[in-house]
Amino acid sequence: AQSVTQLGSHVSVSEGALVLLRCNYSSSVPPYLFWYVQYPNQGLQLLLKYTSAATLVKGINGFEAEFKKSETSFHLTKPSAHMSDAAEYFCAVSGKYGNKLVFGAGTILRVKS
Amino acid sequence: DAGVIQSPRHEVTEMGQEVTLRCKPISGHDYLFWYRQTMMRGLELLIYFNNNVPIDDSGMPEDRFSAKMPNASFSTLKIQPSEPRDSAVYFCASSLDRLEAFFGQGTRLTVV
Repeated sequence: AQSVTQLGSHVSVSEGALVLLRCNYSSSVPPYLFWYVQYPNQGLQLLLKYTSAATLVKGINGFEAEFKKSETSFHLTKPSAHMSDAAEYFCAVSGKYGNKLVFGAGTILRVKS
Repeated sequence: DAGVIQSPRHEVTEMGQEVTLRCKPISGHDYLFWYRQTMMRGLELLIYFNNNVPIDDSGMPEDRFSAKMPNASFSTLKIQPSEPRDSAVYFCASSLDRLEAFFGQGTRLTVV
């Protein structure tokens, strides 16, 4: 079985500051890991994905995430926050041989000017 | 491609009424997922299909919920009878493989 825990339901950063959203996973099989973003009244959009290739994954809009097996983590980062990054972010896990995405509870990112 | 298309975008109905939510997946995608999003429970997978066949419906909350996929380009999620606790945003997503799911914009259901 797979599960993810996102630490912090709300994160607030200043514009231009580092964004760090935390995700820890649990998986009984090699995982595939994902970050999705949801803007108000919209569906979810894929930011990036880890599929057992490079451990540092780059996504859209300047976001990246690093898979750390020893820490069972897949934290999302962006060097400099922009106002347009304000949204809710979801970490998700899928077993390598499974087809279900299991989502974390989400983290709402607020960007202050 | 227009992406995953869901209808209606908003639905308000009275308790006890039947509600049908519709989804058109991206052409060529073999997997279709139905999710429910609420403040209390977050995103929950209700059911998913592979090649129009239901594979896992363990997330369907109770017998009032049913889902069908009569062909590769259409799926429905039906609630009968509806209850206020069913109020949520329901998302449909489709996928070509396990690596990326494309979500529709959701149907916001309010049961009064």
